[in-house]
Amino acid sequence: DQQVKQNSPSLSVQEGRISILNCDYTNSMFDYFLWYKKYPAEGPTFLISISSIKDKNEDGRFTVFLNKSAKHLSLHIVPSQPGDSAVYFCAARDTDKLIFGTGTRLQVFP
Amino acid sequence: GAGVSQSPSNKVTEKGKDVELRCDPISGHTALYWYRQSLGQGLEFLIYFQGNSAPDKSGLPSDRFSAERTGGSVSTLTIQRTQQEDSAVYLCASSSQGRSDTEAFFGQGTRLTVV
Repeated sequence: DQQVKQNSPSLSVQEGRISILNCDYTNSMFDYFLWYKKYPAEGPTFLISISSIKDKNEDGRFTVFLNKSAKHLSLHIVPSQPGDSAVYFCAARDTDKLIFGTGTRLQVFP
Repeated sequence: GAGVSQSPSNKVTEKGKDVELRCDPISGHTALYWYRQSLGQGLEFLIYFQGNSAPDKSGLPSDRFSAERTGGSVSTLTIQRTQQEDSAVYLCASSSQGRSDTEAFFGQGTRLTVV
């Protein structure tokens, strides 16, 4: 049973536009959420996180929004750049381990 | 380097053989995780070590899988009698604390191919 879901396997966005990656979760006890980015043949790298006591966290071009009532979070990248092309994983902390979604492949084209 | 190191980076093995995958976490990190990513799939949790506590083995897919962490540092994931469905990228991650708002740092992974 998938507790963290990324329903869009892929997303294609033009350079300079906004990329919005979505993530849904089922467990209301999750209290911390993270986004990771993964390039081919590399391990995932941490991008941005948000605590459940907040509804927004911003870091440069990256903003994560959390809607606890909807059990939904999203990652906004603006403006998108070709170097942002990668697979993005949403993760939720379950007590002391991370539960990951299946990932969304983002392609930013010129 | 100061990051998480995994070896080997690639491993091809025959069905039925045993394999050992190694993970060197970041020095001082008390939490260590193993995940795997099968083709087209997300990151599947396998096992979690935190300090001297009993490991959380709830993600291990079968009793052919086991893991150890010696001296609170290096970890070895062992797969016995490998099957073709074991083919995946096995990723190790470590973090400074398991129960805090710190992110986990991943190694580059070991790509296992069972033929």
